[in-house]
Amino acid sequence: DAKTTQPPSMDCAEGRAANLPCNHSTISGNEYVYWYRQIHSQGPQYIIHGLKNNETNEMASLIITEDRKSSTLILPHATLRDTAVYYCIVRVGGSQGNLIFGKGTKLSVKP
Amino acid sequence: NAGVTQTPKFQVLKTGQSMTLQCAQDMNHEYMSWYRQDPGMGLRLIHYSVGAGITDQGEVPNGYNVSRSTTEDFPLRLLSAAPSQTSVYFCASSRDRGRTGELFFGEGSRLTVL
Repeated sequence: DAKTTQPPSMDCAEGRAANLPCNHSTISGNEYVYWYRQIHSQGPQYIIHGLKNNETNEMASLIITEDRKSSTLILPHATLRDTAVYYCIVRVGGSQGNLIFGKGTKLSVKP
Repeated sequence: NAGVTQTPKFQVLKTGQSMTLQCAQDMNHEYMSWYRQDPGMGLRLIHYSVGAGITDQGEVPNGYNVSRSTTEDFPLRLLSAAPSQTSVYFCASSRDRGRTGELFFGEGSRLTVL
């Protein structure tokens, strides 16, 4: 079973920041949080990951709470092309574990 | 680089037939895996490999076989197809087992079993 809980759907206005929440209250100290997205029926695309500290790359920012029980993926300026299913994943099995995908959040970016 | 290439993109089988889904990557990645995705569901891990000659089972391995004779290729075999195996199959790879979270996915193979 997935170790994360995400809302099934969210809307965001084009040009605004999209904040996607994820709860992972049973996360262990050495387990990383990963975010992927899947546009239409394409293969999922890696976005970002983190352990304790906040992370930022060219696609998004990842904010992890101090107790690590939840995180938020931030798309700073959402575009229509960001409409996708976003998956928050806790990698189980330590540093060499596999990814277990849940159902994700369907983000709809509207004009 | 082509990345991760899956063939065929679409396939229709009859119950009991066998077939192989092909997956090839040209990034010299050590780790490769197969997932299936059913409508409205997330992806479920079928099998994975951490290098040539090494394979292991994921969440839903029954009805599927894999082998890894080269670094580049990781075929998925359905021995006797069943309607429950109708799904979209994704192959993915990562540089090594330490980076199994940073996966590169193929475009998927859509299989229908009648």
